[in-house]
Amino acid sequence: GQQLNQSPQSMFIQEGEDVSMNCTSSSIFNTWLWYKQDPGEGPVLLIALYKAGELTSNGRLTAQFGITRKDSFLNISASIPSDVGIYFCANTNAGKSTFGDGTTLTVKP
Amino acid sequence: DADVTQTPRNRITKTGKRIMLECSQTKGHDRMYWYRQDPGLGLRLIYYSFDVKDINKGEISDGYSVSRQAQAKFSLSLESAIPNQTALYFCATSDPSAPHTDTQYFGPGTRLTVL
Repeated sequence: GQQLNQSPQSMFIQEGEDVSMNCTSSSIFNTWLWYKQDPGEGPVLLIALYKAGELTSNGRLTAQFGITRKDSFLNISASIPSDVGIYFCANTNAGKSTFGDGTTLTVKP
Repeated sequence: DADVTQTPRNRITKTGKRIMLECSQTKGHDRMYWYRQDPGLGLRLIYYSFDVKDINKGEISDGYSVSRQAQAKFSLSLESAIPNQTALYFCATSDPSAPHTDTQYFGPGTRLTVL
């Protein structure tokens, strides 16, 4: 089945630093989704991408749909303590979503 | 009020016991899903249902069963719990009629421990 390779697995950064994480696959996809899971809660959609090359922002978050349609990147600028959590990439086929293993972000004040 | 609710939020049980996890939603979505989350393994699909009469196995359905009692309710059962089913379980919904049908809306999760 589909497999999404998400990296890095974890990040420990200082408040104010920028963050970059990515997701790759051997398959071509028509969508890339990025979710965030706060501690003790379910994942929530951050950004959805539907077109190769698309660059979309949501506040300090920016995500890009790779031109090859096999990868996607999520950047967080000027990190703050509430950015802590697990970030998942995902895509969907026939109504079912496949998720990456997640990037756990820790922000030190 | 939360759109997707799960009960219980935490449960500790013993090996061999039957357990039911319940999910309710007020979003009016036809599609509902059950996922399992283990540390470092992301979210893995257990079962999914596209409407009340539709039930489908996901990638890790062995040891689990589900029931779609109504559009708003989707229950997950462990007929005979075993320790390696200790995990965080999430219910989710999606709306196939929405402009972006890929978005999933998750409940708060149920933490299950099998001793």
